[in-house]
Amino acid sequence: QKEVEQNSGPLSVPEGAIASLNCTYSDRGSQSFFWYRQYSGKSPELIMFIYSNGDKEDGRFTAQLNKASQYVSLLIRDSQPSDSATYLCAVRRYSTLTFGKGTMLLVSP
Amino acid sequence: ETGVTQSPTHLIKTRGQQVTLRCSSQSGHNTVSWYQQALGQGPQFIFQYYREEENGRGNFPPRFSGLQFPNYSSELNVNALELDDSALYLCASSYPPTGELFFGEGSRLTVL
Repeated sequence: QKEVEQNSGPLSVPEGAIASLNCTYSDRGSQSFFWYRQYSGKSPELIMFIYSNGDKEDGRFTAQLNKASQYVSLLIRDSQPSDSATYLCAVRRYSTLTFGKGTMLLVSP
Repeated sequence: ETGVTQSPTHLIKTRGQQVTLRCSSQSGHNTVSWYQQALGQGPQFIFQYYREEENGRGNFPPRFSGLQFPNYSSELNVNALELDDSALYLCASSYPPTGELFFGEGSRLTVL
């Protein structure tokens, strides 16, 4: 059983739309949850993290966490072509951060 | 930019050789984690160093080893290289060990 699962995509949305990226995890002891963005050939860059159930907003990005359902999501409002990248969900338990394979997002002009 | 620097950025080795990758952590960060990212996959945790001691290890064989120095910089050593070791090796620093990870640009290793 994979520890962190993401749909590989690609998820295609038009410019200006809301992109919704989803992630499920298997370890109920997971303590914190992260979203990274990775452009092709580049390293991951941190978008945001969330610890508690509910929503957390940062600019155009909103992270949502539901620990009972073991589900994390990232919403990107007003999507831009520059948002086209692979989005990695990561789950932390103690010192270990476990990543999913990522979802490719394509935003068309 | 995160302030985490890695070297070299690209290198080519042959099967059976040994490689050392280096990482300088972001100022103020005392923890370094190493990840391996194969093409089309998410990063896989290799190990973490905190205050010069190994602080967690993923499912990698002993030929993957590391060091952390008093200035918190770090090395990843891989012995007896195999073809499947071809990947992007990512170093990330954090403070504290359970804090957010900030990645360097990575070292891309090709094993022929």
